[in-house]
Amino acid sequence: QKEVEQDPGPLSVPEGAIVSLNCTYSNSAFQYFMWYRQYSRKGPELLMYTYSSGNKEDGRFTAQVDKSSKYISLFIRDSQPSDSATYLCAMSARGQGGSEKLVFGKGTKLTVNP
Amino acid sequence: DAGITQSPRHKVTETGTPVTLRCHQTENHRYMYWYRQDPGHGLRLIHYSYGVKDTDKGEVSDGYSVSRSKTEDFLLTLESATSSQTSVYFCAISSQTDTQYFGPGTRLTVL
Repeated sequence: QKEVEQDPGPLSVPEGAIVSLNCTYSNSAFQYFMWYRQYSRKGPELLMYTYSSGNKEDGRFTAQVDKSSKYISLFIRDSQPSDSATYLCAMSARGQGGSEKLVFGKGTKLTVNP
Repeated sequence: DAGITQSPRHKVTETGTPVTLRCHQTENHRYMYWYRQDPGHGLRLIHYSYGVKDTDKGEVSDGYSVSRSKTEDFLLTLESATSSQTSVYFCAISSQTDTQYFGPGTRLTVL
């Protein structure tokens, strides 16, 4: 079983839809959870960062972490064509010297159609 | 891209030639990382550094070496490039407690 599983999609939705992106993981030591957005031919950019369980909201984006189920989600409300990108989940346990060695999901490609 | 530059941005080379990719940061972050990104595999860690002259291997380090002689620069070297090293290479940085920020990437093609 891979440490982090993420459905690669692709996922295609109409503009204005609510999008749900998910990852599951197997390592119970993970305590830092992130979502990155990657536009085509660009580097990943940090979208959301959460520690331990719970919800975090930032504008149209909500990140949820359920450590008991080893399941994290990213919700996008009122999706826009500009949200079309690949979304990567990432997580870590605190590593050597405090550095965060991230484990990434393979990414879900999202297209929001006007 | 959070004060991170990568050079070159694109490179085409031939099998067996040495290649060096450079990552430069202006954030004075302690940690620097090299990843490769391939379809079907996602982002995979090649090497990372936790300080000047302090480096360690990631999950796909075979065929790669790194050096960090200054805080701001992290070099990735392919001693003898192979076609399997055709990929997009990303550098990332982080401070003690922050998460990682990525550079714009280098697209490498080995013929």
